[in-house]
Amino acid sequence: IQLTQSPSSLSASVGDRVTITCRASQGISSYLAWYQQKPGKAPKFLIYAASTLQSGVPSRFSGSGSGTDFTLTISSLQPEDFATYYCQQLNSYPLTFGGGTKVEIK
Amino acid sequence: EVQLAESGGGLVQPGGSLRLSCAASGFTFSDHYMDWVRQAPGKGLEWVGRITNKANSYTTTYAASVKGRFTISRDDSKNSLYLQMNSLKTEDTAVYYCTRGPYCSSTTCYSGRWFDPWGQGTLVTVSS
Repeated sequence: IQLTQSPSSLSASVGDRVTITCRASQGISSYLAWYQQKPGKAPKFLIYAASTLQSGVPSRFSGSGSGTDFTLTISSLQPEDFATYYCQQLNSYPLTFGGGTKVEIK
Repeated sequence: EVQLAESGGGLVQPGGSLRLSCAASGFTFSDHYMDWVRQAPGKGLEWVGRITNKANSYTTTYAASVKGRFTISRDDSKNSLYLQMNSLKTEDTAVYYCTRGPYCSSTTCYSGRWFDPWGQGTLVTVSS
């Protein structure tokens, strides 16, 4: 199963609403997770089952979707949110990742 | 605190071998599936493979890019995960992360399928 993230990068300002999309090449129900990775650091798990926030993740993050189309939204971008975001499908092997979306400061 | 710590990375020549280790602490290691994920310099994440737990017969599954060359194993008595890498290629150069997968019995999973936490990673460089 291939995951296509868009855009591959974006520039945004603090306070902006940001939306990242992830499209699967076939249906994966809600078996999708989102991760955040900052430079030089390991990925951090954010959202599972497409829409459920991991404990401790700020409520400005939200996820939605099922089947083949998913979105990650940051309602009001904060300085600590500038990072690369990856989606991952957990429906079937191989457990593929999207190509990533780099969120940069405008 | 749940922690994972990889070790064993380094410089190796093409065709060579290397064994990575991952030490786990803060959770019942034997209950969980464990995975390896890698990230080539400046690139995205690539799942390498998984080993299930004893209840699921320590089954291993691999990405096509490493199947037949890499072997995942675990020692539950030592809370340790391993990645044996043989016939290394330059394209295997990457930071390798170990990460915790779900907790499953033989019939059901008691935690979600996501990967959490991740170790800090260990760099493997394949070059002559």
